[in-house]
Amino acid sequence: DGGITQSPKYLFRKEGQNVTLSCEQNLNHDAMYWYRQDPGQGLRLIYYSQIVNDFQKGDIAEGYSVSREKKESFPLTVTSAQKNPTAFYLCASSIKGITIGQPQHFGDGTRLSIL
Amino acid sequence: DQQVKQNSPSLSVQEGRISILNCDYTNSMFDYFLWYKKYPAEGPTFLISISSIKDKNEDGRFTVFLNKSAKHLSLHIVPSQPGDSAVYFCAASGYSGGGADGLTFGKGTHLIIQP
Repeated sequence: DGGITQSPKYLFRKEGQNVTLSCEQNLNHDAMYWYRQDPGQGLRLIYYSQIVNDFQKGDIAEGYSVSREKKESFPLTVTSAQKNPTAFYLCASSIKGITIGQPQHFGDGTRLSIL
Repeated sequence: DQQVKQNSPSLSVQEGRISILNCDYTNSMFDYFLWYKKYPAEGPTFLISISSIKDKNEDGRFTVFLNKSAKHLSLHIVPSQPGDSAVYFCAASGYSGGGADGLTFGKGTHLIIQP
């Protein structure tokens, strides 16, 4: 089955630790995205990547880092510099960016909590 | 400053009736609009989209209307079913600029279908 896999579903981090969230897609999509959702809020864009070895900051990139070494993988690292990391993190992908009839498809998310 | 606004946090509709979810945007560069449905602890699922060259798009029970002059779009669900109970997000993009710049989301409307 083609889709986007995020792991783990739940993740706990101690203060001061970095943590990496995994996102893998087998849809052969070029573009991948990371969003963050807080309670009662919409999704906010953290980082996006249109092609391998290239990525751009979104609206709330501070305290996060990404890499795109392979087309199918776009891991997100939440660093200790992120002051409020507790949130629901969603990864998405799409064909060659956003075009009509080719929307972004989402994984099921990772919920990150601070211990 | 919110560029995509969903002013109704929740909406309750009787089963079988029409559900109308509204969305307003402020950015004139937006020209592609999407609706997503989301259940708790899951990723959003794409429902329907519309480009700015159209004012209506229909897919089964779902119809999206776009009023560019008012910068307003709405999602109609007819007839409403219990399985439609979820949070609905409106999202927008300026795709024709060639961008895979990610989507801008509203805060969502929680639709509750009453039996």
